[in-house]
Amino acid sequence: EVHLVESGGGLVLPGGSLRLSCSASGFTFSNYWMHWVRQVPGKGLVWVSRINSDGSTINYADYAKGRFIISRDNAKNTLFLQMDSLRAGDTAVYYCARDEMGMSYLDYWGQGDLVTVSS
Amino acid sequence: DIQMTQSPSSVSASVGDRVTITCRASQGIDGWLAWYQQKPGKAPKLLIYAASSLQSGVPSRFSGSGSGTDFILTISSLQPEDFATYYCQQTNSFPPSFGQGTRLEIK
Repeated sequence: EVHLVESGGGLVLPGGSLRLSCSASGFTFSNYWMHWVRQVPGKGLVWVSRINSDGSTINYADYAKGRFIISRDNAKNTLFLQMDSLRAGDTAVYYCARDEMGMSYLDYWGQGDLVTVSS
Repeated sequence: DIQMTQSPSSVSASVGDRVTITCRASQGIDGWLAWYQQKPGKAPKLLIYAASSLQSGVPSRFSGSGSGTDFILTISSLQPEDFATYYCQQTNSFPPSFGQGTRLEIK
């Protein structure tokens, strides 16, 4: 069974940093594109970033460019999102998700991890 | 960026009703569209991909149609577990983008 489990979220001061992790199991992690999607509580889904199976292709939403870095460790079946220069507007639940066909159709999602940026 | 607009923003319906939710893209996306269901406190669940393909394990009462700019999600006979928020997502053009959501409530 496919499982994705995010960790690393929490409360951070404006301007601070956090590194989210997404531990994957139940499938061959190294074969799949992976994404991060975020959601402000009570609001809609917003795409953040994606990385291809071997980490050679990476894309970001404009608001994430220069502040967020997506990466993966296929030996450890883990996806990461390093977030720097965090702002109040980055407060959200962050989901990692598997891309079934490399076409951004997200067939499995983690439970989400809340990041709160506040002083 | 492509903007996705769903209508209605919310809808009330009863068990057994047929419900349709519309998603419109700001420019043509061929059939590169997915639909997700999200229940409170839970992650989204993929229902439909490529506009009309049913994801494995999703009940057949869910169906999708459309191409170009206009798409429809249909639930043929509402079940109690279908009351949730539904999102469309375009994957034709970078960045992938979601609609604002349609909340389906019990009447």
